[in-house]
Amino acid sequence: DAGVIQSPRHEVTEMGQEVTLRCKPISGHNSLFWYRQTMMRGLELLIYFNNNVPIDDSGMPEDRFSAKMPNASFSTLKIQPSEPRDSAVYFCASSLIETQYFGPGTRLLVL
Amino acid sequence: AQKVTQAQTEISVVEKEDVTLDCVYETRDTTYYLFWYKQPPSGELVFLIRRNSFDEQNEISGRYSWNFQKSTSSFNFTITASQVVDSAVYFCALSEGDTGFQKLVFGTGTRLLVSP
Repeated sequence: DAGVIQSPRHEVTEMGQEVTLRCKPISGHNSLFWYRQTMMRGLELLIYFNNNVPIDDSGMPEDRFSAKMPNASFSTLKIQPSEPRDSAVYFCASSLIETQYFGPGTRLLVL
Repeated sequence: AQKVTQAQTEISVVEKEDVTLDCVYETRDTTYYLFWYKQPPSGELVFLIRRNSFDEQNEISGRYSWNFQKSTSSFNFTITASQVVDSAVYFCALSEGDTGFQKLVFGTGTRLLVSP
């Protein structure tokens, strides 16, 4: 079975540009999570969805960040406008019950 | 508040040595899950094991074993006869019943370096 799929794997952009990260969860999973990993802050939960509905977005750093899940097989995390401090690895994970399975991550560099 | 502490920032061993990675957690919930994930140099996060708070049985999977002790709030991970491929960052994590087991709180990770 395919795991969690994320695209792009790497993104380099300039400050002020819009960035869109994409995630396809494991088929049949009903929860989807977005995390950010940095050296300074470690792994942080940004937002999660249950059955396509956002449940907790308290980890979203600010209004420049938004996430959507239009259907059970697709989610996006958007940063507009991007800033250098947004540089990080962004992980998407999905779960059916308790165990979260992670995608390979998107390494974002904002210049 | 829930918290996971991995006091060992980095451990270096020589191949074939046994190594134990420590994990101490804090929670007020009586129902919770504990996890270990592996992050190899390639960067992905790989699920290794899940344990619920009612199951204190130790588990062994090949060279990996886990020791869960509620009395000391610890969930330690031992690799027997380590190999170079075990080199990675290992994260311990906790999710509580209060959050429907949805919110994973991670420790800061332990970097394991296994040299030939």
